Amino acid sequence: DIQMTQSPSSLSASVGDRITITCRASQHINNYLNWYQQKPGKAPQLLIYAASNLQSGVPSRFSGTAFGTDFTLTINNLQPEDFAAYYCQHNYSTPPTFGQGTKVEIK
Amino acid sequence: EVQLVESGGGLIQPGGSLRLSCAASGVSVSENYMTWVRQAPGKGLEWVSVIYTSGSTYYSDSVKGRFTISRDDSKNMLYLQMNSLRADDTAVYYCARDQFYSRGAEALDIWGQGTMVTVSS
Repeated sequence: DIQMTQSPSSLSASVGDRITITCRASQHINNYLNWYQQKPGKAPQLLIYAASNLQSGVPSRFSGTAFGTDFTLTINNLQPEDFAAYYCQHNYSTPPTFGQGTKVEIK
Repeated sequence: EVQLVESGGGLIQPGGSLRLSCAASGVSVSENYMTWVRQAPGKGLEWVSVIYTSGSTYYSDSVKGRFTISRDDSKNMLYLQMNSLRADDTAVYYCARDQFYSRGAEALDIWGQGTMVTVSS
């Protein structure tokens, strides 16, 4: 199985900050990498698919990049509604594993 | 409105069985890959199972041989039959639609609200 290593596991930030979350795949995944946001008590929501494509309706302050097996999710101008947990997931093969998650908290 | 609604969760003793249901509206379970994902209390997301449009099914190693994914096309319903339940199966179970994008990309773009399964004596 492909392992997804996500970092950091948590971070504290302020409204207006720019933050970056990283996900590393244990092997080549052809940029088949998705990012999800999950707020407490709610289902996850798709933010970005295929490493850098913004899902419809997602604000443009969210962006994703890829470099080999390393992937980043960047949130510019952090808003109060962005404080949540974020997960990466590959979809290159079965099982399509998730990263361990990153909790973004208010500083 | 596109919606997935899970039901069937509850408290069950170790070794017991439970069947989860996922009612789909605005999306066809037979025309999409449909997936179950679970989340143990305070933990991350774990992929559980998928059923393809062809009917082919796949499972995580942790549930293989104990869980069965299925669908009823006439009712537009997705199911997860869970047998030989263990304490570490305790989780919120989500059903989700697997959407395909260009160049083979796919992602879970529609999720239900989840149903809680607690395995405890």
